[in-house]
Amino acid sequence: GAGVSQSPSNKVTEKGKDVELRCDPISGHTALYWYRQSLGQGLEFLIYFQGNSAPDKSGLPSDRFSAERTGGSVSTLTIQRTQQEDSAVYLCASSLGPAADTQYFGPGTRLTVL
Amino acid sequence: QKEVEQNSGPLSVPEGAIASLNCTYSDRVSQSFFWYRQYSGKSPELIMSIYSNGDKEDGRFTAQLNKASQYVSLLIRDSQPSDSATYLCAVKTAEYGNKLVFGAGTILRVKS
Repeated sequence: GAGVSQSPSNKVTEKGKDVELRCDPISGHTALYWYRQSLGQGLEFLIYFQGNSAPDKSGLPSDRFSAERTGGSVSTLTIQRTQQEDSAVYLCASSLGPAADTQYFGPGTRLTVL
Repeated sequence: QKEVEQNSGPLSVPEGAIASLNCTYSDRVSQSFFWYRQYSGKSPELIMSIYSNGDKEDGRFTAQLNKASQYVSLLIRDSQPSDSATYLCAVKTAEYGNKLVFGAGTILRVKS
């Protein structure tokens, strides 16, 4: 079946612009996660959605970052007034549910802020 | 101290040898432990999970967990050049709910 999909695969933007990154999880997966991976670094947790519960936003680095998940499926990560330090690969993952340990990752969106 | 620590490497091993990758974690009540493989420019993929002390084998891979010492390791037997990748250790811990806390990864290079 289809895996996690993300779009765009690459995004180049100018400092100060807003960007939207999209994630389409595996059908039937209720849990969705956003991570950020800077060059040569591990994955940094950003935000976690589970069903209709309030999201866990504890990893968002600043109020310029926000995310929503509509209809319990597709999620959008928005970064306002982008800065050069926002440049990274943004990875989305989904899992069957909160008790499911296996997270399946999408291909990521590489964001470059000039 | 970082929650999950790994030696960044690179760890270089000859083809056919055993590669040993190590990971330590700080939260004693951590529950679940995972090894992800990430090829350059690709997203991570899960290769092993382990929950109980001891060894868990899957093909050429063996995960080892020692909760008393707070470390988890991954052994790759008969290493192949195709095993060359970054290996990420991840821990699910009660303090962090259902989030995975990742180490920075160890680069493995298998030389033919």
